[in-house]
Amino acid sequence: DAKTTQPTSMDCAEGRAANLPCNHSTISGNEYVYWYRQIHSQGPQYIIHGLKNNETNEMASLIITEDRKSSTLILPHATLRDTAVYYCIVPKLTFGTGTRLTIIP
Amino acid sequence: DSGVTQTPKHLITATGQRVTLRCSPRSGDLSVYWYQQSLDQGLQFLIQYYNGEERAKGNILERFSAQQFPDLHSELNLSSLELGDSALYFCASSVDPPSGINNEQFFGPGTRLTVL
Repeated sequence: DAKTTQPTSMDCAEGRAANLPCNHSTISGNEYVYWYRQIHSQGPQYIIHGLKNNETNEMASLIITEDRKSSTLILPHATLRDTAVYYCIVPKLTFGTGTRLTIIP
Repeated sequence: DSGVTQTPKHLITATGQRVTLRCSPRSGDLSVYWYQQSLDQGLQFLIQYYNGEERAKGNILERFSAQQFPDLHSELNLSSLELGDSALYFCASSVDPPSGINNEQFFGPGTRLTVL
């Protein structure tokens, strides 16, 4: 099974784009990359997922490198409500400890 | 609101006791997942059920067991409780095809278990 590596924490200024990296160098060809976030102690919230093409939805964009060994979640205009722990998940059931993103006013 | 409900919200009990956590998935979702999150830890996958059958097993202790009923709700049973079992327990559901590929999961609000 693939595993992911994420920075433990990141800061981003309010209104700027937040770019959260994730390494998944052992990903298999048919494994999707999922992103979730967890605000305080609430249940995690699904954000986006992708296989090989870049994806965008109303919450975020997902950029996956051509070799699929890493990806970046982009929150285009970060707000204070985006402060949360962000999880990059490969394989589908392994959450790990994620990146604690703090949006700074 | 994800559509997944969990009861109770809070549970305080003593070591050696047994408790049951309940989860109702979103309408139409056949898969139910259970996770444990200890203080400042990531989510640890415990077990998944699909349409009443166990589909995947993670780091679930032998003292813990789960089942999914015909109406698709699920229960997680924790027995011989220890102090270290104090944690947030989350249930999630998803609509998965029979092929086993997991779609995005929708999480409930969690049950906070405190073992004294």
